[in-house]
Amino acid sequence: ETGVTQTPRHLVMGMTNKKSLKCEQHLGHNAMYWYKQSAKKPLELMFVYSLEERVENNSVPSRFSPECPNSSHLFLHLHTLQPEDSALYLCASSQVFRGSQPQHFGDGTRLSIL
Amino acid sequence: SQKIEQNSEALNIQEGKTATLTCNYTNYSPAYLQWYRQDPGRGPVFLLLIRENEKEKRKERLKVTFDTTLKQSLFHITASQPADSATYLCALPRGSGQAGTALIFGKGTTLSVSS
Repeated sequence: ETGVTQTPRHLVMGMTNKKSLKCEQHLGHNAMYWYKQSAKKPLELMFVYSLEERVENNSVPSRFSPECPNSSHLFLHLHTLQPEDSALYLCASSQVFRGSQPQHFGDGTRLSIL
Repeated sequence: SQKIEQNSEALNIQEGKTATLTCNYTNYSPAYLQWYRQDPGRGPVFLLLIRENEKEKRKERLKVTFDTTLKQSLFHITASQPADSATYLCALPRGSGQAGTALIFGKGTTLSVSS
């Protein structure tokens, strides 16, 4: 149990579908992140939320839309995705304090686009 | 732009030996560096953090060094066990301060320890 829970663990969707990924952290952290992990590639940062405000959007296509309603929850809304979007999507949280705190990751959502 | 390289994609060693993994970076002077472990189908798990003013950090069988002149970190697992088999990721901060610290990750080195 990492303290960061992601649902669903697996998701298969067509290119025209709309779905959402959910992340919940029980660690009292005040920063949350979305990463994409594709085979043979390093983790790619997608979005950063600090104190519920989006502080970074790492040139992610608009078909990915994040939402952070409070410091414990983070969503990633998906619509009209492409086959190359198939990957493991990881959520992480940390306590922002002079920037050196480790990140705690969930176990990810394995997304497959048909 | 900032770049991280973990030189070996895979490392195979025998049980009881010391595993040494390398992380090199360029175009960057990070204040600290982190190491994570990732098992198949799981998210990364934080292992160790070492700051720029620290030469070495230890935790049980793990040892990390940080050479800011060489721009390199070495990650050692002594007396390795089959349970140490996993992918090990090196990570450096992209930001600092209160604005949420995003990390840049290397591709990782997959360690296999055979008995």
